[in-house]
Amino acid sequence: DIQMTQSPSSLSASVGDRVTIACRASQSIRSFLNWYQQKPGKAPNLLIYDTSSLQSGVPSRFSGSGSGTDFTLTISSLQPEDFATYYCQQSYKTPWTFGQGTKVEIK
Amino acid sequence: EVQLVESGGGLVQPGGSLRLSCAASGFTFSSYWMHWVRQAPGKGLVWVSCINEDGRDTRYADSVKGRFTISRDNAKETLYLQMNGLRAEDTAVYYCARDPTTVVPLDYWGQGTLVTVSS
Repeated sequence: DIQMTQSPSSLSASVGDRVTIACRASQSIRSFLNWYQQKPGKAPNLLIYDTSSLQSGVPSRFSGSGSGTDFTLTISSLQPEDFATYYCQQSYKTPWTFGQGTKVEIK
Repeated sequence: EVQLVESGGGLVQPGGSLRLSCAASGFTFSSYWMHWVRQAPGKGLVWVSCINEDGRDTRYADSVKGRFTISRDNAKETLYLQMNGLRAEDTAVYYCARDPTTVVPLDYWGQGTLVTVSS
């Protein structure tokens, strides 16, 4: 199975900060890397698919980059509604696998 | 409006069985792969299983293979997960999710249904 490792596991940031979350795959997954946001008690919400494509309705402050095994989610200017947990996920092959999550908290 | 509504969760004893359902509406259900993803309390997301449009191609996580069976009824626009031989470690919120294409992954999710395995 492909292992997905996110870093950091948690971070504290202020409104307006630029935030970067890293995700590494244990083998090449080409561009089949997706990012989800999850708020407490809610289902995950797709933010970015295919490494850098923004899902419809997602604010442009979210962006993704990378290829092969190393990927990044960037929030250009953190907003109050962005405090949540973020997961990367590979859809290159089954079993699909998720990173362990990165919790973004208010500083 | 796309909607996915899970049901069937509850408390079950170890070794018991449960069948989850996911009722779909607002899209052409028979045209999509569908998935189950679970989340243990306070933990991360774990992919469980998926099924193709006509139900002939099914995939499972190793942790549930041989115990869980995914199926679908396209006429009823409903996805199922039959769970047998339940273990404490299967305790989780189970989400169903839609998979539009090879490139776009899980774009719509249900609200989840809680399965608790305990004596």
